[in-house]
Amino acid sequence: EAQVTQNPRYLITVTGKKLTVTCSQNMNHEYMSWYRQDPGLGLRQIYYSMNVEVTDKGDVPEGYKVSRKEKRNFPLILESPSPNQTSLYFCASSRRQRGGTDTQYFGPGTRLTVL
Amino acid sequence: QKEVEQDPGPLSVPEGAIVSLNCTYSNSAFQYFMWYRQYSRKGPELLMYTYSSGNKEDGRFTAQVDKSSKYISLFIRDSQPSDSATYLCATPPFSGGYNKLIFGAGTRLAVHP
Repeated sequence: EAQVTQNPRYLITVTGKKLTVTCSQNMNHEYMSWYRQDPGLGLRQIYYSMNVEVTDKGDVPEGYKVSRKEKRNFPLILESPSPNQTSLYFCASSRRQRGGTDTQYFGPGTRLTVL
Repeated sequence: QKEVEQDPGPLSVPEGAIVSLNCTYSNSAFQYFMWYRQYSRKGPELLMYTYSSGNKEDGRFTAQVDKSSKYISLFIRDSQPSDSATYLCATPPFSGGYNKLIFGAGTRLAVHP
């Protein structure tokens, strides 16, 4: 089954404690990205990756890091989480296609609470 | 001004009603528009997409784009309780770019029996 998986699904942590949210896709997609979803603001892109070892900032990258060492995995790293990073996080993947017209497949989401 | 604006609702309708969900966008260069559906505790999934102006129909769903007024709509006919979800409009912000999408805030729809 084609899918994007994220772990953990739910996480409660404290300010400053480093954490990693994993994302994996089994569709051999080149493109992967991370979004955060907040009430009234919709989905906002944090970071994206065109392919292995190629990453770039999205619209709200502050406080986040990513890496793409393998095509299927795209972890999101919060080195020193703060309460304003409490949010619902989604990983997405798609084929790399000019014009942005390819379907993006989203993971089930990770609900993060930073106390 | 946000590049894509969407009324967050919530919108509550009886089963069988025709539902109209709408978004406006600010940049006339946007050409490609998508509707994603997001059920509670799930990730968004692509429902429909449409290019440029006009209508596109898929079963009970019709996507419509009016480029002159920068307005996009999703109509749901004979709405069902299973249509209860949040609906997000989205567009790639520039042609020739790769895969980035700008989303509206999402409209929460509840269809009650």
